[in-house]
Amino acid sequence: GEDVEQSLFLSVREGDSSVINCTYTDSSSTYLYWYKQEPGAGLQLLTYIFSNMDMKQDQRLTVLLNKKDKHLSLRIADTQTGDSAIYFCAERPLSGGYNKLIFGAGTRLAVHP
Amino acid sequence: KAGVTQTPRYLIKTRGQQVTLSCSPISGHRSVSWYQQTPGQGLQFLFEYFSETQRNKGNFPGRFSGRQFSNSRSEMNVSTLELGDSALYLCASRPDRGPPYEQYFGPGTRLTVT
Repeated sequence: GEDVEQSLFLSVREGDSSVINCTYTDSSSTYLYWYKQEPGAGLQLLTYIFSNMDMKQDQRLTVLLNKKDKHLSLRIADTQTGDSAIYFCAERPLSGGYNKLIFGAGTRLAVHP
Repeated sequence: KAGVTQTPRYLIKTRGQQVTLSCSPISGHRSVSWYQQTPGQGLQFLFEYFSETQRNKGNFPGRFSGRQFSNSRSEMNVSTLELGDSALYLCASRPDRGPPYEQYFGPGTRLTVT
């Protein structure tokens, strides 16, 4: 089946690292994505990782993938107040065609001073 | 390059009416998808178009329909609106060539059904 799970809320202090976790079920998913949504806005693509990779780093963002456990995480280094938003993990199942993404419920990240 | 644009941004309709939402993809993108976002169901895939052809459809009733024009602009239509159709409707486009098949989203149209 297709299902993506995320914890709903994370609170961190400004300057600390944030780690947002996600588990997915479809082992055929070739790409996994992280999106950010700020209040009243659409989704902003942050990064993605190919399923045969273990890690991908992009400036302050690090994505870790454990394909065996179907576990994905997004680490944000030096978290800033501007990082406060909802973060969505998404998988792209092979059976869904090119565009069908399965999203998690989103993790609301709150950054406090 | 300009991003994905959606019009209108906000819409209020009455139950039983119909509504049409519009999406213009990023220039050069021929693939467009639509998603519905609600607090209860989260983000759900509606349908996908490429070169005026619907290639995939999510699990939504037939009241939800869409189309794509030769300039890649897309519209979605919801007929006989129900209160549960109140949602943020997001359009996304992606480059023709892939992988990674990344999709770029517009700001959405917030539909309120009263």
